[in-house]
Amino acid sequence: EIVMTQSPATLSVSPGESATLSCRASHSIGSNLAWYQQRPGQAPRVLIYGASTRATGIPARFSGSGSGTEFTLSISSLQSEDFAIYYCQHYNHWPTWTFGQGTKVEIK
Amino acid sequence: EVQLVQSGAEVRKPGESLKISCQGSGYYFPNSWIAWVRQMPGKGLEWMGIIYPDDSDARYSPSFEGQVTISADKSINTAYLQWSSLKASDTAMYFCARRVQAGYGSELFDPWGQGTLVIVSS
Repeated sequence: EIVMTQSPATLSVSPGESATLSCRASHSIGSNLAWYQQRPGQAPRVLIYGASTRATGIPARFSGSGSGTEFTLSISSLQSEDFAIYYCQHYNHWPTWTFGQGTKVEIK
Repeated sequence: EVQLVQSGAEVRKPGESLKISCQGSGYYFPNSWIAWVRQMPGKGLEWMGIIYPDDSDARYSPSFEGQVTISADKSINTAYLQWSSLKASDTAMYFCARRVQAGYGSELFDPWGQGTLVIVSS
């Protein structure tokens, strides 16, 4: 079983600043990783898939990188709507999809 | 517009049965896997299972195998998640999502339904 570990659990950032979120896989998953954003009271939405491809309509301030076991989601110049919980998800082993425990990005 | 619309919130007593639904529109429903994801109060996302509506091939997370049943009716573009005997610990928000295979092995869950809140309380 592949375990996804996100850090930090909570990230306090001022609007306009940048944020870097980490996701680590217990075993190599290649580039089979997606990132999701969940705003309060809303369903999750996909931001990044294939570790680094932005989904349709996602602003360029969101970027993903990494492969193997270490992945990063970077958000530049945080806007008010970016304060949310972010989850990574692997899909390396059919039929299994595992989410990380989430990183909450809060206003500093 | 590709959309998944879920049935409304439910309140049940322990031991009761329940079936919630997820209806797709804006795409050819039979040919895309539909996943179910649980979110317990204040907690993260857990993949429960997935179904291919065209032939109703369903796969389950080991954590949920035997606890829930996933089904689909492709004639009405709808997937279902059901319980035969609810427990208080089934209280959660349940989301459905379409699995999209984006090429070169990439995939994503998109879109997601709005969620169905299930409350199990005596």
